[in-house]
Amino acid sequence: DAGVTQSPTHLIKTRGQQVTLRCSPKSGHDTVSWYQQALGQGPQFIFQYYEEEERQRGNFPDRFSGHQFPNYSSELNVNALLLGDSALYLCASSLEILANNEQFFGPGTRLTVL
Amino acid sequence: GQNIDQPTEMTATEGAIVQINCTYQTSGFNGLFWYQQHAGEAPTFLSYNVLDGLEEKGRFSSFLSRSKGYSYLLLKELQMKDSASYLCAVRDQAGNMLTFGGGTRLMVKP
Repeated sequence: DAGVTQSPTHLIKTRGQQVTLRCSPKSGHDTVSWYQQALGQGPQFIFQYYEEEERQRGNFPDRFSGHQFPNYSSELNVNALLLGDSALYLCASSLEILANNEQFFGPGTRLTVL
Repeated sequence: GQNIDQPTEMTATEGAIVQINCTYQTSGFNGLFWYQQHAGEAPTFLSYNVLDGLEEKGRFSSFLSRSKGYSYLLLKELQMKDSASYLCAVRDQAGNMLTFGGGTRLMVKP
């Protein structure tokens, strides 16, 4: 049973550039959430996708956008990169109908902005 | 909004018991999760509480008091591999968003 996968593992960009991160949810899951984790801090919720739509959004600017595809995989796009965007970006998947709705996390993409 | 507090660091001895506390102030509540995160790795699920009381799962137990906005994670018979960060997270009323505390870095010493 494949867990949550993310690509790429690491990425280095310069200020002002744009980046796209990818996530494939755990088999059977239909909901994808994205989190940003700065070094030494807890993850912060960016947004969640369900049925190919952004269902809920955290306190992040419009530079952060996303997409969910019919196969439930998802992309996170960040435009006009800032130094402060350097972080570990985590994708988590879950199954909507479960009461527990536990979120399973992928290994993350480490983004460095120079 | 949500505010979640937990100690930044704790140290304990192999074989001992440690309790990691988490307090929260939230505008909505639909469950509290504990995750373990080893350095450079993804968070992994440990426990879930939505009703008051204690949930036991092997060497790990988690307690919740909704009226006090308080939870703790209890780790028994500590092993060196338990050295990690422990994240407390509250789920919002809609059931979609997890708000995490800053994490508690636990160091287990021989």
